[in-house]
Amino acid sequence: GQQVMQIPQYQHVQEGEDFTTYCNSSTTLSNIQWYKQRPGGHPVFLIQLVKSGEVKKQKRLTFQFGEAKKNSSLHITATQTTDVGTYFCAGHNNAGNMLTFGGGTRLMVKP
Amino acid sequence: DVKVTQSSRYLVKRTGEKVFLECVQDMDHENMFWYRQDPGLGLRLIYFSYDVKMKEKGDIPEGYSVSREKKERFSLILESASTNQTSMYLCASSPTGWVWPQHFGDGTRLSIL
Repeated sequence: GQQVMQIPQYQHVQEGEDFTTYCNSSTTLSNIQWYKQRPGGHPVFLIQLVKSGEVKKQKRLTFQFGEAKKNSSLHITATQTTDVGTYFCAGHNNAGNMLTFGGGTRLMVKP
Repeated sequence: DVKVTQSSRYLVKRTGEKVFLECVQDMDHENMFWYRQDPGLGLRLIYFSYDVKMKEKGDIPEGYSVSREKKERFSLILESASTNQTSMYLCASSPTGWVWPQHFGDGTRLSIL
C-alpha cells in the first residue's frame, strides 16, 4: 500500500534558526496536506498543495510540492517558540479515498 | 467553526473488556474517520465512513469495529481490548471529496491494563 515517509523524526533548533521537514511518498499523490499538532493538542490543518511544482507561503512558512508529485517540504524561516509542535504531511493517492499520514517531525525550539 | 467532540479525554480499561469510543461532529460532514496515533508512526487510519451506515477499512482495522447510525456520530468499538491497543485515538471529519481538510477532535488517550 501507499507509504509516506517523513524526515527527520525530531529536530532541535535555536530560536531564529531555520527548519525544514521533508515528506516522500512511495506513490504519486493527488494532493499533499500539512498539519501542525501542538504538544497536548490535536492536528490542525495548515495548507494543501495540488499542482505539480506548487509553492505556497504563509508568513514564515514555505510549502513545496515536487514536480513528480511524490515529495513535499515545509520550511520555516527564523523559528520562534510558537512554532514548537509536530508537523505532519498527508496525501491522497490517485484513488482519492484515504489520506495517508507521514510519521511527523517533532520540532523543538530553544529560546 | 467546526467542532469534533470525543466523549473521553482519558480512559482506562482492562484486557478483554469491550470498549466504546464516541465521536460527534456538528458540521454535517459526510466523512468521518478514526485514527490511532503512536510515537514515530504518525496517524494510522483504522476505519472511515462516507455516509450513514457505510464503513470502509483503513490500514489497521484488525481488532476494531465501527458504527455510524447517525450522520453526526461515529463510534469506534474495541471488541475485546488488548494491551497493544493502548494508544491515542483521534476522530476526524470532513466534507465529501478529497480536496477538503480533516477536522480533528482532541483525542482519547486509552490505556488497556
